Amino acid sequence: RKEVEQDPGPFNVPEGATVAFNCTYSNSASQSFFWYRQDCRKEPKLLMSVYSSGNEDGRFTAQLNRASQYISLLIRDSKLSDSATYLCVADLNQGGKLIFGQGTELSVKP
Amino acid sequence: DGGITQSPKYLFRKEGQNVTLSCEQNLNHDAMYWYRQDPGQGLRLIYYSQIVNDFQKGDIAEGYSVSREKKESFPLTVTSAQKNPTAFYLCASSGGTHNSPLHFGNGTRLTVT
Repeated sequence: RKEVEQDPGPFNVPEGATVAFNCTYSNSASQSFFWYRQDCRKEPKLLMSVYSSGNEDGRFTAQLNRASQYISLLIRDSKLSDSATYLCVADLNQGGKLIFGQGTELSVKP
Repeated sequence: DGGITQSPKYLFRKEGQNVTLSCEQNLNHDAMYWYRQDPGQGLRLIYYSQIVNDFQKGDIAEGYSVSREKKESFPLTVTSAQKNPTAFYLCASSGGTHNSPLHFGNGTRLTVT
């Protein structure tokens, strides 16, 4: 089992749609979780940290489910500009080791 | 402005040569990381360092070496022992504490022929 695993993509959705990504992690002691966005041939950019109580930033909502060991990202009212690859990151409770999932590609169509 | 600088942006080398990728940060971050990304893939951890003069292997450390002599610098050497060195290399730093996110440099695209 991979340490951090994401939904396979690509996700092709129309503008205005709501789309959700999940990411599972293997280490139950993991404490820190993040969602990053990566545009083609660029470096990843932080989208959101994921807090235990869940958090929201505009159209984006992140949730943590410790019992089932996954985090999720919900994007409401999708825009064309949301098209990108979304990467989840989890620490492995091993002195700062941060591991990425393989990424999920999102394509928002007019 | 604070940030992470990777250089060069593009690097070309012949097979059998060692090459060193530069990574400098002025964010006063304790932790620094090197990741490798292949086309259509996620980021894989090569090495990471939580403090000066200390570093740990990530998941794919074979064929790579690093040093952390200064807080702001974490150079990565791709040795001739690395079987498939052509890739996009990303350096990152973080505050090193719980819930400190990673801040990335612009990356170096290495092509070995």
